[in-house]
Amino acid sequence: DTAVSQTPKYLVTQMGNDKSIKCEQNLGHDTMYWYKQDSKKFLKIMFSYNNKELIINETVPNRFSPKSPDKAHLNLHINSLELGDSAVYFCASSQVRHEQFFGPGTRLTVL
Amino acid sequence: AQSVTQPDIHITVSEGASLELRCNYSYGATPYLFWYVQSPGQGLQLLLKYFSGDTLVQGIKGFEAEFKRSQSSFNLRKPSVHWSDAAEYFCAVGADAGNMLTFGGGTRLMVKP
Repeated sequence: DTAVSQTPKYLVTQMGNDKSIKCEQNLGHDTMYWYKQDSKKFLKIMFSYNNKELIINETVPNRFSPKSPDKAHLNLHINSLELGDSAVYFCASSQVRHEQFFGPGTRLTVL
Repeated sequence: AQSVTQPDIHITVSEGASLELRCNYSYGATPYLFWYVQSPGQGLQLLLKYFSGDTLVQGIKGFEAEFKRSQSSFNLRKPSVHWSDAAEYFCAVGADAGNMLTFGGGTRLMVKP
């Protein structure tokens, strides 16, 4: 069974569109995260979400909004997509102060 | 705020040779330290972690890392590299606030036959 899954794996869209990436974990973890990996492989935390508490990296534009319908899911919604949003987005989950388990990533290409 | 530096962007070693990947961190308290590996087109897999206790930690695939507080380092080592170890390696430090990880820039390991 896949521990942390993301859909879609690839997403190609036009500038200005709105898109969502879904993440699900079946590990029973309390905390979920979104990371962005740019073209130079640099990984940066975007959000941490624990029991309805959202911690936002303040450098993330407010066009990005995480939505968590329940503890096992954390979706990422992006409004008004820009060229610079092209990246690989990783979802992860953990128990607090334990290692994080990463999903396979979603490669977003904005044209 | 915490930070992680991986000084080597690329490293090439011969198969069977030993390996050491460097990681230096900056963090005000006792850090939670991790090494992850990313194969091409894949997600990140945890190799090993340090939270407390023994400063030499063993991980999967024959990797180990040593936490040295005096040097603010957490270097990854392997005594004999296999061709399948070719990948991108990331060092990370965990913060209490939100448990978010700060990653280093990564080191790309290439293995010569």
